[in-house]
Amino acid sequence: DTGVSQDPRHKITKRGQNVTFRCDPISEHNRLYWYRQTLGQGPEFLTYFQNEAQLEKSRLLSDRFSAERPKGSFSTLEIQRTEQGDSAMYLCASSLTGSDYGYTFGSGTRLTVV
Amino acid sequence: DQQVKQNSPSLSVQEGRISILNCDYTNSMFDYFLWYKKYPAEGPTFLISISSIKDKNEDGRFTVFLNKSAKHLSLHIVPSQPGDSAVYFCAASARLVSNDYKLSFGAGTTVTVRA
Repeated sequence: DTGVSQDPRHKITKRGQNVTFRCDPISEHNRLYWYRQTLGQGPEFLTYFQNEAQLEKSRLLSDRFSAERPKGSFSTLEIQRTEQGDSAMYLCASSLTGSDYGYTFGSGTRLTVV
Repeated sequence: DQQVKQNSPSLSVQEGRISILNCDYTNSMFDYFLWYKKYPAEGPTFLISISSIKDKNEDGRFTVFLNKSAKHLSLHIVPSQPGDSAVYFCAASARLVSNDYKLSFGAGTTVTVRA
């Protein structure tokens, strides 16, 4: 198992464009999380899935953001009509319910909106 | 609202000495606490955790102490090694009672270990 994979690693986009990120969790992990991290801050929770069900969304997640996890496997995070304030590192993590070892994070997708 | 606070943005320590990182939280529902380590261009990696039923957990060179009455936890690294130079995040969740696995993170402390 190669851990949590995120694609792309970097994305530069023009304001107003749509972007989509992909996350492939560790295969046996049933929970998948998206976090956003800006410079000088810790990761902030965006949303999480248990299997294919999206169980919680942060109020940080505006209507321009949507996440899916079809069939409980990989997940996508889409941002529509990007704004400069969306520039951040988007981190995906997965875990197994009941595990004491916290999440396993991917390396993240760095989004720059110009 | 910042529910987890790491008030020291940076810490410099000599190799072989103890590193002490501090973290305070405000949400009394938090019952599970974790420390993550992050190198540049990588995601955070899990280091050590502690549940609210304990006041200490040790794993090799890393020990986490929890003071529930003060809503304070600390991470001790003894002895500090050059490879410990990284950003350390404190995180908390309400997983035990509320089954809430999402984490609230502090802003991080950058540790530099000097040779």
